[in-house]
Amino acid sequence: DVKVTQSSRYLVKRTGEKVFLECVQDMDHENMFWYRQDPGLGLRLIYFSYDVKMKEKGDIPEGYSVSREKKERFSLILESASTNQTSMYLCASSLLPRVGTEAFFGQGTRLTVV
Amino acid sequence: QQQVKQSPQSLIVQKGGISIINCAYENTAFDYFPWYQQFPGKGPALLIAIRPDVSEKKEGRFTISFNKSAKQFSLHIMDSQPGDSATYFCAGTQGGSEKLVFGKGTKLTVNP
Repeated sequence: DVKVTQSSRYLVKRTGEKVFLECVQDMDHENMFWYRQDPGLGLRLIYFSYDVKMKEKGDIPEGYSVSREKKERFSLILESASTNQTSMYLCASSLLPRVGTEAFFGQGTRLTVV
Repeated sequence: QQQVKQSPQSLIVQKGGISIINCAYENTAFDYFPWYQQFPGKGPALLIAIRPDVSEKKEGRFTISFNKSAKQFSLHIMDSQPGDSATYFCAGTQGGSEKLVFGKGTKLTVNP
């Protein structure tokens, strides 16, 4: 069974802290994604990676960075957490782009910045 | 423009009724339109998808209707059940692109 695992379900961090969200997939997928989910705004792409050490900005990259040192692991980094980064964060993975490729999502990390 | 517009934002249906969620896209290069279903506390999961060379795709109680000329597509859930209560996201993507462009989601509640 395919699996995308996010390291934490819930996190509470203080303003200004550096925050790491970790994601691991066991499907040998090339692509990995970080989304942010907010009520009424849907799923917004923060960053994605199509290969080890490769990354591209999504629609809302400001205040975030990513790291992909191994194929199976994709980390989202909040350099200096702010209260407006309180949200649900979803990691996803997929095979190389082709029409019909399915994205598999993790269960999400609900981050609260106080 | 890359947007996918989804409506309604929320929907309440009685058990046994038909749930209909509509989406409209702007990018005529999109050639794959999936729907994702998300239950509370879970990540989204692929429900059903369609390509624009067909006007309808049916899987069990779930049907996608596609109108290429109007750049619209919709999800119909027949005989809706309380277990269908979830948030539904439509999306579009262009062949060869890694990125899915999602609608803002519809929260469906099916009352028993």
